Amino acid sequence: AQSVAQPEDQVNVAEGNPLTVKCTYSVSGNPYLFWYVQYPNRGLQFLLKYITGDNLVKGSYGFEAEFNKSQTSFHLKKPSALVSDSALYFCAVRDPMYSGGGADGLTFGKGTHLIIQP
Amino acid sequence: EAGVTQFPSHSVIEKGQTVTLRCDPISGHDNLYWYRRVMGKEIKFLLHFVKESKQDESGMPNNRFLAERTGGTYSTLKVQPAELEDSGVYFCASSQKQLWNSGNTGELFFGEGSRLTVL
Repeated sequence: AQSVAQPEDQVNVAEGNPLTVKCTYSVSGNPYLFWYVQYPNRGLQFLLKYITGDNLVKGSYGFEAEFNKSQTSFHLKKPSALVSDSALYFCAVRDPMYSGGGADGLTFGKGTHLIIQP
Repeated sequence: EAGVTQFPSHSVIEKGQTVTLRCDPISGHDNLYWYRRVMGKEIKFLLHFVKESKQDESGMPNNRFLAERTGGTYSTLKVQPAELEDSGVYFCASSQKQLWNSGNTGELFFGEGSRLTVL
């Protein structure tokens, strides 16, 4: 079965500093990995994905994420945080080797609150 | 192009009552998913429609939950009778193709969610 762990409930970063939101995963095969963001009173918005190819993927709003197969991680990063980045971030995985049990969709982590302080 | 819309945005009901949540996916999207997030927990899969057929309903908690997608357009999720533990945010998502098809951008498009509070 596939699973995702986001070890931090909350991450606090000062505006202008780099940020990292951590995500680790467990799958049987090669994973498809995603980051979504939820702003207050809004739905989940797609940020970026890793399917194959370069380990560093770039997404919306200046975010990027690095796929690390040996560490089974897919941490979300941004070089310089903005106050407007404050939101709830979800990491998600799809294991192409797994069928059923919701595998047609995505398996999500618990989410990490990112708070950017001015 | 309109996104995924959900109604109501918030519903407060008493234990034992019935609630019906509605989701209108993006036009032309065959795949429709229901997810639920209980406060502070993971977003958990409930079920997946391909057009009007239930492809996977392994995440449905119990038989108090009934999902339908008549005609393969909008979907409803009914909870009857509601219990306290059913409280949470119910998200609907849609996609044109299943994620692993080549050429697909890979993401699901989510609605803003329906917050259910059972008292």
